Amino acid sequence: GDSVTQMEGPVTLSEEAFLTINCTYTATGYPSLFWYVQYPGEGLQLLLKATKADDKGSNKGFEATYRKETTSFHLEKGSVQVSDSAVYFCALKNVRSGGSNYKLTFGKGTLLTVNP
Amino acid sequence: EAQVTQNPRYLITVTGKKLTVTCSQNMNHEYMSWYRQDPGLGLRQIYYSMNVEVTDKGDVPEGYKVSRKEKRNFPLILESPSPNQTSLYFCASSPGVGQGAANSPLHFGNGTRLTVT
Repeated sequence: GDSVTQMEGPVTLSEEAFLTINCTYTATGYPSLFWYVQYPGEGLQLLLKATKADDKGSNKGFEATYRKETTSFHLEKGSVQVSDSAVYFCALKNVRSGGSNYKLTFGKGTLLTVNP
Repeated sequence: EAQVTQNPRYLITVTGKKLTVTCSQNMNHEYMSWYRQDPGLGLRQIYYSMNVEVTDKGDVPEGYKVSRKEKRNFPLILESPSPNQTSLYFCASSPGVGQGAANSPLHFGNGTRLTVT
């Protein structure tokens, strides 16, 4: 079945540092890929998405590129802020394998802490 | 404002006492789903619904029930809660087939933290 593997946390960085959170996936066909963010005490918010190979999703300074050849969707940000502290989830939606279930398959999440 | 609303946000109950967590969305989405989030396990799907009166099991359905009598509402029912159902629960919705399902993200509620003692 489909699966998502993302780097184990926690990740601790200083403000203005460069961020990379690795995400790789296993899926048949051509899934859509997503990054969600969960701030403390809140639900999951969509951060960015990419729906086909070589697409780049971007939002709030975060970027991720859909690499089909390496089955990866790594999240990057050039300069993190304290307000970026949150849990980040990589996820895929595979309508082909899911049939009528448009579910998201999630990675286990990566806790990011940014210190001033 | 487009949103998914869950209630309650926090719930403490005792083993065996039936409870319902409500979920409502105002985006006219066909697809709705329930997930539970547990440390080290990420999010796992409990049940989903493709449309009114159409529901099916997800990956971890044991001990849960759902209903979809109206398009906007998708309550999660625990008939006899047990301590292993202590978790953080999320309701989510998205467009269905014909609404751009394949590339659409799920929209999540703010979660319900359930503790069963």
